[in-house]
Amino acid sequence: AQSVTQLGSHVSVSEGALVLLRCNYSSSVPPYLFWYVQYPNQGLQLLLKYTSAATLVKGINGFEAEFKKSETSFHLTKPSAHMSDAAEYFCAVSNQAGTALIFGKGTTLSVSS
Amino acid sequence: EADIYQTPRYLVIGTGKKITLECSQTMGHDKMYWYQQDPGMELHLIHYSYGVNSTEKGDLSSESTVSRIRTEHFPLTLESARPSHTSQYLCASSESRGGDTGELFFGEGSRLTVL
Repeated sequence: AQSVTQLGSHVSVSEGALVLLRCNYSSSVPPYLFWYVQYPNQGLQLLLKYTSAATLVKGINGFEAEFKKSETSFHLTKPSAHMSDAAEYFCAVSNQAGTALIFGKGTTLSVSS
Repeated sequence: EADIYQTPRYLVIGTGKKITLECSQTMGHDKMYWYQQDPGMELHLIHYSYGVNSTEKGDLSSESTVSRIRTEHFPLTLESARPSHTSQYLCASSESRGGDTGELFFGEGSRLTVL
């Protein structure tokens, strides 16, 4: 069965520092992988998605993620954090039947000045 | 920009009351979903629909029910609310017509508190 593990429930960085949010997946079929962001009191918004076209995926707001099959990872990065990046980030994988997305527990990103 | 709306955004209600959480989308998407979200936990799929008159239960067992009489509307109902139903409920839709889920567009959520 498909599953997602996000390492670290809380990540704190300084403004301008590298952001790295970790996601490992388990899938018995080639996965479709997603990163979503949730700001306080709002729904989830898609940051980027991997659909096997390219291993390095660029998303909105300067984020990108690299699919590494050998490591079953899909880590999210941003070279320079901004205060507005403070939010909760969810990694997700499409379930085997393709009927829905399976989400991780989320990682809260804090950015200090 | 996604056009999916949930009402109410916040609801505080007493035990035993019947509640309906509304979800509407104007994108013409066939697939719609309800997820339950608790702090520090995964989003759990509780219901989904592939189109009018199609509803399925998700991975997380839920006492709620859903209906899909119109493409744009996917309401969730609790016949008798209990404190254990306190949670945030997120509605989503997808434009995917193929075998994969595709991108989900989410509403802003309905936060339910049952006293």
